[in-house]
Amino acid sequence: LAKTTQPISMDSYEGQEVNITCSHNNIATNDYITWYQQFPSQGPRFIIQGYKTKVTNEVASLFIPADRKSSTLSLPRVFLSDTAVYYCLELTGTASKLTFGTGTRLQVTL
Amino acid sequence: DVKVTQSSRYLVKRTGEKVFLECVQDMDHENMFWYRQDPGLGLRLIYFSYDVKMKEKGDIPEGYSVSREKKERFSLILESASTNQTSMYLCATSWGSHYEQYFGPGTRLTVT
Repeated sequence: LAKTTQPISMDSYEGQEVNITCSHNNIATNDYITWYQQFPSQGPRFIIQGYKTKVTNEVASLFIPADRKSSTLSLPRVFLSDTAVYYCLELTGTASKLTFGTGTRLQVTL
Repeated sequence: DVKVTQSSRYLVKRTGEKVFLECVQDMDHENMFWYRQDPGLGLRLIYFSYDVKMKEKGDIPEGYSVSREKKERFSLILESASTNQTSMYLCATSWGSHYEQYFGPGTRLTVT
């Protein structure tokens, strides 16, 4: 079983900000956290990656607190098309030590 | 755009058969990965390769082997398929271990 936990599901209205949190174990200072989005019948797609504090790109922000026990993906304004499953990924050391979270199913409605 | 293709979208095999799943990428990426995805368990790493002929075990390598004879091609082999290997199999590639991964569309394998 994945050691990295996420809420199973979340609901949101279109236009709202959504924050999805992932709980991590033993993430070192230079270990990376990555978030992916997955639609049905497709492979996951990269959203954002970081290893400390806050990272922002054109679609999302990633927050990693100082204790590194969690990370939060923030989607500033969701649309119906953002309905998907969102996974966090922690990479500790080499690529053989990567662990995906259990996934959060986000449902966006009007 | 990076293109990652997998040999089949759907596959049905019988218990005990040898199964080959193939993944091909067109971006000269060093790293290639094989995952399986099951409801409630998320994605779990089976094997990855960081160079031709090089491989490392992931979390769940038992019952699987891999082959990487060419940089662009990474094969997952089920030597003797079992029903508990029924799953969605996803291939991914990346420039390096800390870079974003690009996933293929997946192969849904059913073992009967």
